Amino acid sequence: QSALTQPASVSGSPGQSITISCTGTSSDVGGYNHVSWYQQHPGKAPKLMIYNVSYRPSGVSNRFSGSKSGNTASLTISGLQAEDEADYYCNSYTSSSTRVFGTGTKVTVL
Amino acid sequence: EVQLVESGGGLVKPGGSLRLSCAASGFTFTNAWMTWVRQAPGKGLECVGRIMSKTDGGTTDFAAPVKDRFTISRDDSKDTLYLQMNSLKTEDTAVYYCTTDMGDVWGQGTTVIVSS
Repeated sequence: QSALTQPASVSGSPGQSITISCTGTSSDVGGYNHVSWYQQHPGKAPKLMIYNVSYRPSGVSNRFSGSKSGNTASLTISGLQAEDEADYYCNSYTSSSTRVFGTGTKVTVL
Repeated sequence: EVQLVESGGGLVKPGGSLRLSCAASGFTFTNAWMTWVRQAPGKGLECVGRIMSKTDGGTTDFAAPVKDRFTISRDDSKDTLYLQMNSLKTEDTAVYYCTTDMGDVWGQGTTVIVSS
């Protein structure tokens, strides 16, 4: 199972909105509404930000939103803040009954 | 408090074995599907394997790089998840995290270094 494809880096100024894409196939992203997004700060464990494509866990800011179209899922961060600077990973259920992560995207707040 | 705590990491020679443990608390472990995820130094996240709850069959699934070398088990009486790693390779060097299959609870990770 190949990793899902994400851009290596995305940047934006405070207050701006950015979108991170996550491209897979019909055997993973396109075939299931089980796409999650994780935020990881250096040296820390990942934190769930979005599950089932567009649902936010309790406690996650509503500045984070998710969507999906075909084989590509997206995470949008609006009103970018300094604390959003981190690595972001998408994750999808697959037809092999396993899960696969994306390649990861480093978000930089300019 | 909902918590996962991994232990058992360390330095091991290539070809050796290691068993990681993950102690759960604050949620109904018996009903939870659990996953091991690893992260090699400077690299991204990689799913290692998953175990279903016993009521759902207790089936395990593994990523291709570790299939036939790693096994996952659980002791619901101790609320503990295990990862048995055999025939370790240098490329297995990573921080290993246990997490609920939904991904809403993660441990702090335990470091495994495979080196001669």
